[in-house]
Amino acid sequence: GENVEQHPSTLSVQEGDSAVIKCTYSDSASNYFPWYKQELGKRPQLIIDIRSNVGEKKDQRIAVTLNKTAKHFSLHITETQPEDSAVYFCAASRSQFYFGTGTSLTVIP
Amino acid sequence: NAGVTQTPKFRILKIGQSMTLQCTQDMNHNYMYWYRQDPGMGLKLIYYSVGAGITDKGEVPNGYNVSRSTTEDFPLRLELAAPSQTSVYFCASSYVLGGTHSGYTFGSGTRLTVV
Repeated sequence: GENVEQHPSTLSVQEGDSAVIKCTYSDSASNYFPWYKQELGKRPQLIIDIRSNVGEKKDQRIAVTLNKTAKHFSLHITETQPEDSAVYFCAASRSQFYFGTGTSLTVIP
Repeated sequence: NAGVTQTPKFRILKIGQSMTLQCTQDMNHNYMYWYRQDPGMGLKLIYYSVGAGITDKGEVPNGYNVSRSTTEDFPLRLELAAPSQTSVYFCASSYVLGGTHSGYTFGSGTRLTVV
């Protein structure tokens, strides 16, 4: 099956700085790569996704890049704000979804 | 349009008891999933279903059973509850056509404690 690794497990940044979270996957057949934000005690919420036929996607302060050859994809958050503090999960999917272990992001005001 | 609805939100079980976690979606999604999330950990797939009448095991199926008699409902059954099953359980659904996912949505979760 698929194996998704996510780094770092914790990340602290100053407000206004950028944050980058990286994931690697093992199954070259995976074709959908979503990112989820989970606030404490709440359900994961989709924040951005990318499909295997696209190399980069941006939505305001959030962007995701995909390198299919190297089998890795990254989440970039620019101009971070305290409300960005949460746990972020990457996932790789063909039919099932395989999640990374999560990154706890803290934005320091 | 309620999305994915899970019940109950909280439950305490005694060791050896059984229960069913309910999950219903009203988005006509063909795929449905059950995950468990242990404290400070990621999501582990328990079971999933690609359509009514079809279910398959995920990464951690032991101690659980599922059924999918309709498109909307995907209940998760715990038989003989054990402390190791203390976790938060999330149901999710998505629409998959031609191998492409869309609309992947999580329910609000069920916090289960086995004592």
